[in-house]
Amino acid sequence: AQKITQTQPGMFVQEKEAVTLDCTYDTSDPSYGLFWYKQPSSGEMIFLIYQGSYDQQNATEGRYSLNFQKARKSANLVISASQLGDSAMYFCAMRDITGNQFYFGTGTSLTVIP
Amino acid sequence: DAGITQSPRHKVTETGTPVTLRCHQTENHRYMYWYRQDPGHGLRLIHYSYGVKDTDKGEVSDGYSVSRSKTEDFLLTLESATSSQTSVYFCAISRDPQGAGSNEQFFGPGTRLTVL
Repeated sequence: AQKITQTQPGMFVQEKEAVTLDCTYDTSDPSYGLFWYKQPSSGEMIFLIYQGSYDQQNATEGRYSLNFQKARKSANLVISASQLGDSAMYFCAMRDITGNQFYFGTGTSLTVIP
Repeated sequence: DAGITQSPRHKVTETGTPVTLRCHQTENHRYMYWYRQDPGHGLRLIHYSYGVKDTDKGEVSDGYSVSRSKTEDFLLTLESATSSQTSVYFCAISRDPQGAGSNEQFFGPGTRLTVL
């Protein structure tokens, strides 16, 4: 069975500091996709970054980067230079080899402290 | 922003009544999804559709049915609502996923359903 684990229910970071949000996954598929989404208190889901299982380079999107360690089955999100607007829930997700099924973790609540 | 709307945005209903939630998109994407979000569980896939009249089950499909008669509309029906179906329901769309490819999902604003 596919599974996404986010072990940090809540995290705090000082403004302008970097923070790493952990995500591990479990799959036997040879090909899969990993995603991070942000959910602010307003409730919408915002796509942040994608990493394909065959991608050699770690994905980056502005201040977001994904630390992909395939052998460890981890896909941690790194947010650099945290801003107050980064305070939100963050969800790690995995798309299976068929492309049809998505599995989400339980989320990490990030609070940025001024 | 992707053109996805959900209706209603809020609904309170009683146990045993039928409920239908609607997702409407203006992006002409083939794939549409229904999720529920509950504390401690993240988002869980209920059903998805890969075209008109083509649907399949997700992780938590029991008690739910779906229909897609037009590309732009994906309906989620609770035939006889139960209190355990109290949740926030999200619709999502994506371009063809091309296997485990990078086509991300775009989410609607959500529907908060309370079953008393």
